[in-house]
Order: sequence, then C-alpha cells, then structure tokens
Amino acid sequence: DVKVTQSSRYLVKRTGEKVFLECVQDMDHENMFWYRQDPGLGLRLIYFSYDVKMKEKGDIPEGYSVSREKKERFSLILESASTNQTSMYLCGLIGTSGEAYNEQFFGPGTRLTVL
Amino acid sequence: KNEVEQSPQNLTAQEGEFITINCSYSVGISALHWLQQHPGGGIVSLFMLSSGKKKHGRLIATINIQEKHSSLHITASHPRDSAVYICAVSRTGNQFYFGTGTSLTVIP
Repeated sequence: DVKVTQSSRYLVKRTGEKVFLECVQDMDHENMFWYRQDPGLGLRLIYFSYDVKMKEKGDIPEGYSVSREKKERFSLILESASTNQTSMYLCGLIGTSGEAYNEQFFGPGTRLTVL
Repeated sequence: KNEVEQSPQNLTAQEGEFITINCSYSVGISALHWLQQHPGGGIVSLFMLSSGKKKHGRLIATINIQEKHSSLHITASHPRDSAVYICAVSRTGNQFYFGTGTSLTVIP
C-alpha cells in the first residue's frame, strides 16, 4: 500500500513567518501534488511535480513555492504567511504504474492557522 | 463554472437507508474518482472508473459516459459512513477537477 505522510497535522504560525510543509511518500512515484481545501471551494491545486526538481504551477500558486530535491519528498513553502493562507493543506501522489496508475493517494492533511 | 458538480451538498439519512450521491461533469475525462474524507482530514480513494460499475462492500459506483454522470450508492448505511464524499475527474496525468463534496451524516 502507498503511504503518504505530512510533517504536521496542525500548525499555528504568525503573519510574515516562513512556513515549511513537508510531504513524504514511501514508494517511487514521480507525480506529487499539493492542494489546499477550503469550505465551499473544494480542493484547489497549488503545485504539481513531475519528478525531482521538476514542478508546475497549479491554479493558485501565488504566495507559495515548492521544493523537490529527492523523489520521495515534496515540500510546500509559504515565504511570508498571510491570514488568507489559513487552510487545510493536502499533499499526495498520483500512481504511475500497475494497479495504482492514475489513482490519487493523499496524506492526512495539515491544518494551518495563520494569526 | 465548475467542471464537476455534485448533489446534494448535504445529506442526512437514518441508519439502514439506501443513499445516492450524484456527480455530473462537463469535460472529457480519462477516469472518474470517488473519494471519502472523514472528519480530521485524510482523503482516501474509494473508486476509480472509466465505464460501467464497480462494487466494494456496501458501496457501488456507476458511470454513464454518454451522459457525463456518475452515482455513488451506499446500501444499508451505517453511522461510520458519515463523511464527505468527493467526486473528481482526471484528464491528462496531472489534471484533476474536483466537486465541492457531499457531506453525509448517518443517524443511528
């Protein structure tokens, strides 16, 4: 079974702080993603990564950056956190082979509050 | 305009009832996904289908490609089925569109 972990379940930060959210998979899948989830808006793609050091902006990349130095780890960075970035952040991967092909696997989510 | 529309937004049922959640989409797809999210956040994939019907336990998912419509059915509903159910469609390898979810509460 594919396992995706996120560094924190709950996080409280202050406006202007730099925030790192980490996502780690235990398999060798290339495609990883970061979504944010807000009531009434559903899941919105922030960034997608095809492979190490390869990334693509999603629908709402403003205020965020990402890092993928190793295949198993995909980090989301809030350079200067703002209150409108208070949200649930979900990372995961898309299976690229076998029975998992095109299936999404999510981490448990990080609920970030920016004060 | 949302590429994926779900109905209803909220649903309350008595334990044992048969439940249907609907999903309509407006784009060409490679597959349709039904996801489940329990309170606390984590999302799990229930089904991925591109035609016909799939069944897993008390859950059944159907899709009609011509009508661009899918349904998720839960037979003999149970309070542990209470969750948000999300419909999503995939196009190219990384392009997913999500519905806003149906919040289901099953009362004992």
